[in-house]
Amino acid sequence: AQSVTQLGSHVSVSEGALVLLRCNYSSSVPPYLFWYVQYPNQGLQLLLKYTTGATLVKGINGFEAEFKKSETSFHLTKPSAHMSDAAEYFCAVSRSGGYNKLIFGAGTRLAVHP
Amino acid sequence: GAGVSQSPSNKVTEKGKDVELRCDPISGHTALYWYRQSLGQGLEFLIYFQGNSAPDKSGLPSDRFSAERTGGSVSTLTIQRTQQEDSAVYLCASSLPGVGSYNEQFFGPGTRLTVL
Repeated sequence: AQSVTQLGSHVSVSEGALVLLRCNYSSSVPPYLFWYVQYPNQGLQLLLKYTTGATLVKGINGFEAEFKKSETSFHLTKPSAHMSDAAEYFCAVSRSGGYNKLIFGAGTRLAVHP
Repeated sequence: GAGVSQSPSNKVTEKGKDVELRCDPISGHTALYWYRQSLGQGLEFLIYFQGNSAPDKSGLPSDRFSAERTGGSVSTLTIQRTQQEDSAVYLCASSLPGVGSYNEQFFGPGTRLTVL
């Protein structure tokens, strides 16, 4: 079985500050890991993904995440927050090698204040 | 090109009525997924179609929920005898075939269902 835990349902940062959104997963098979972003009243957009290879993955809008197998983590970071980063962020896991049903975390709402 | 489209964008219905939600995937995408986003349950998988294979219905919460995909393209999610707990945003996603490798799922804007 697979599951995802996102620590912190709400995170607030100042503009220009580091963004750190935490995600831990549980999987009995090698996972594929994803971060999605959802802006208000919009659908989900893929930020970045880890499937195989390099464990530090870079995504759109300056975000990156590092797959740490020993810690079963896939935390999302961005060095400097922009006001436009305010949104809800979802971490997700799927099985590798099979079809790609996504199991999502509960989401973290990021607020960015001036 | 056009993305995944869903209709209607909003649906308000009375408890006990049946509703149909439609999803038009990206042209050429053979894999189609339905997810539900609700306050109590977060984002959860409902059903998956891949080509002519039998769909994976493991996420459907009850037998009131069903889905079909006609001609390998458009999909309809039907909820019979709606209940208030069915109120949620229903998201559709499509991708190239997912078996054996990863292909990005592209999500539609969703249908917001409100059951009064």
